[in-house]
Amino acid sequence: KAGVTQTPRYLIKTRGQQVTLSCSPISGHRSVSWYQQTPGQGLQFLFEYFSETQRNKGNFPGRFSGRQFSNSRSEMNVSTLELGDSALYLCASSLGNQRYFGPGTRLTVT
Amino acid sequence: AQRVTQPEKLLSVFKGAPVELKCNYSYSGSPELFWYVQYSRQRLQLLLRHISRESIKGFTADLNKGETSFHLKKPFAQEEDSAMYYCALNMNYGGSQGNLIFGKGTKLSVKP
Repeated sequence: KAGVTQTPRYLIKTRGQQVTLSCSPISGHRSVSWYQQTPGQGLQFLFEYFSETQRNKGNFPGRFSGRQFSNSRSEMNVSTLELGDSALYLCASSLGNQRYFGPGTRLTVT
Repeated sequence: AQRVTQPEKLLSVFKGAPVELKCNYSYSGSPELFWYVQYSRQRLQLLLRHISRESIKGFTADLNKGETSFHLKKPFAQEEDSAMYYCALNMNYGGSQGNLIFGKGTKLSVKP
């Protein structure tokens, strides 16, 4: 069974730009959640989607948004990038009590 | 406010020694707690859940509601246990598991 995949794996953007990250969950998993990981703040919850609906949202500004498609694939978008958005963005898909994380997308904002 | 605290950033032990990674939480409801592990160059993965009351790779963790703790223990550490360990809290007990609150993590280094 293929694991959670995230694309791209690495990304370099300039301040003020926007970025879209993609996550493909494990087949059959309908829940996808996103986390931001930074050295200073650690792992922080961004949002969770289930069957194309946002079910939970973390404490991030409105520049961070996401969506989920009918095939459960999810995207997250960050607009007007700031230096502080540089981080590893992790996606996780869940089925019941099992949650599996992807390898992450390393975003660097210059 | 809900919070997970892992007081040690780094824990270094010798092979064969007991290891205890500390985790304390702050939450007024019924917590569901997890330990996640990230080995070098690997993905974050679930190690164990408190409601399963299982032992994985020799690790156990007991939820102590009185002390609001969920410490991870192993009687005899192995070199392959060297990794980053995260304690996490799910506030929606038995429900949605998307919203996990993670501690900052403890890096365990097991020396030969």
